[in-house]
Amino acid sequence: DAKTTQPNSMESNEEEPVHLPCNHSTISGTDYIHWYRQLPSQGPEYVIHGLTSNVNNRMASLAIAEDRKSSTLILHRATLRDAAVYYCILRAARGGAGGTSYGKLTFGQGTILTVHP
Amino acid sequence: DTGVSQNPRHKITKRGQNVTFRCDPISEHNRLYWYRQTLGQGPEFLTYFQNEAQLEKSRLLSDRFSAERPKGSFSTLEIQRTEQGDSAMYLCASVGPSDNSPLHFGNGTRLTVT
Repeated sequence: DAKTTQPNSMESNEEEPVHLPCNHSTISGTDYIHWYRQLPSQGPEYVIHGLTSNVNNRMASLAIAEDRKSSTLILHRATLRDAAVYYCILRAARGGAGGTSYGKLTFGQGTILTVHP
Repeated sequence: DTGVSQNPRHKITKRGQNVTFRCDPISEHNRLYWYRQTLGQGPEFLTYFQNEAQLEKSRLLSDRFSAERPKGSFSTLEIQRTEQGDSAMYLCASVGPSDNSPLHFGNGTRLTVT
C-alpha cells in the first residue's frame, strides 16, 4: 500500500481555519485520497475524499496538489468538537492494486488536532 | 439509529478465556471489515467480507482468531484462549457496493484481558 506522512500533532484556536497536511509521494494513478477522523472513544468517521480536483463538503475542504503528491484537509472554522485524530489514507479504486481487498483502508498514526478555546 | 452497531461495548475477560464480539452493519452493505486498534495507534486491518465470503485475512489474525458472516448480514469475531496482548479496541466497518463509498465504522468493542 502507498504510504502517507502526516505531522504527529497540530494545534489551533477555536473559530480559526486549520490546514492539515499530508504527503503521499508514492501515490498511484488509481489511488483516491481519503480523510477520516476519530474522536475520543469513537470509531473513525469519514470526512472527505478526492482524486485530482479540490473537493468541498459540509465538513471540510480537500486541496490536492497538481502532482497529487500531497494534499491538505482544510477545516474552515475549527470548533472544540473538531478535536480528534485525523487520518489521511490512500485507497485503491476498483481495478487498481487493491485486488480482492479493494476499498480497504490502511491507517497510519494520523495527526492529533488540539483545538484551544 | 441506522449506523454500524457493535456489541458488547466493553468486555473484560481473564487470560485463557474465549470471547465473541458481534457487528451489525448498515443494512444492505455487502462489504464488512474488522480492525483492531491499540492505544496511540491507528486501526489495523484484520479481515474483510464481501457478503458471506471472507476474502482477505491479515497475518495479524492468528489461528486463535476466527470471523464469520454466515448470512451476509451480521458478523462475529471470536478470540480463543485470550492473551493479554489481545487487549485492544476491535472495530467493525461496513460499506456499500458503490466504488469509493466511505466506510462506516461502529464505536468498537474494547477488550481487556487480565
